[in-house]
Amino acid sequence: AQKVTQAQTEISVVEKEDVTLDCVYETRDTTYYLFWYKQPPSGELVFLIRRNSFDEQNEISGRYSWNFQKSTSSFNFTITASQVVDSAVYFCALRPSGAGSYQLTFGKGTKLSVIP
Amino acid sequence: EADIYQTPRYLVIGTGKKITLECSQTMGHDKMYWYQQDPGMELHLIHYSYGVNSTEKGDLSSESTVSRIRTEHFPLTLESARPSHTSQYLCASSVLGTSTNTEAFFGQGTRLTVV
Repeated sequence: AQKVTQAQTEISVVEKEDVTLDCVYETRDTTYYLFWYKQPPSGELVFLIRRNSFDEQNEISGRYSWNFQKSTSSFNFTITASQVVDSAVYFCALRPSGAGSYQLTFGKGTKLSVIP
Repeated sequence: EADIYQTPRYLVIGTGKKITLECSQTMGHDKMYWYQQDPGMELHLIHYSYGVNSTEKGDLSSESTVSRIRTEHFPLTLESARPSHTSQYLCASSVLGTSTNTEAFFGQGTRLTVV
């Protein structure tokens, strides 16, 4: 069984503050993928990043960075110098990497509000 | 940018009506999915497909049905809508196999309200 926990239901920050969204996962699979998606008020889910369980190297993309720690089963997401456009619901997700795997397990999401 | 489209974006319909939610993708993806999103934000997989003529039920039981006659289309049908079906429905697609490009791309969703 797989499980993704996003303990923070809602977070509010003032513009230009840094914010970290937590994600903790559980899986019995030895290989898997982790994802982050952004859901703005318009409703669609926008893919942000994919991370293979083999690759624990942290990644930075502009103001976004991700910290993957297999030892603690965490895949946290940090937004630096937050902006109002970052306001959205953010989902962490997990999927086994086997050829027959289909199941994307989502966390419950964290609603981020960036206040001007 | 993902090329997956859902229509309609919003639908308000009376109880007992039959409805079909459309989903189309132009990326040639074999795998397609339908998720139901509760008002409290959590997403649940209700249907998926590995390719043409393949349909399977997901983890969340749903009274809806799906079909996959063409690779690019994956419509979802409710034969008799009820207020309990009020939700957002999100369609997604991804490549088949163990390719590194395994992320699912999502449509904009259909917000269904049954009155």
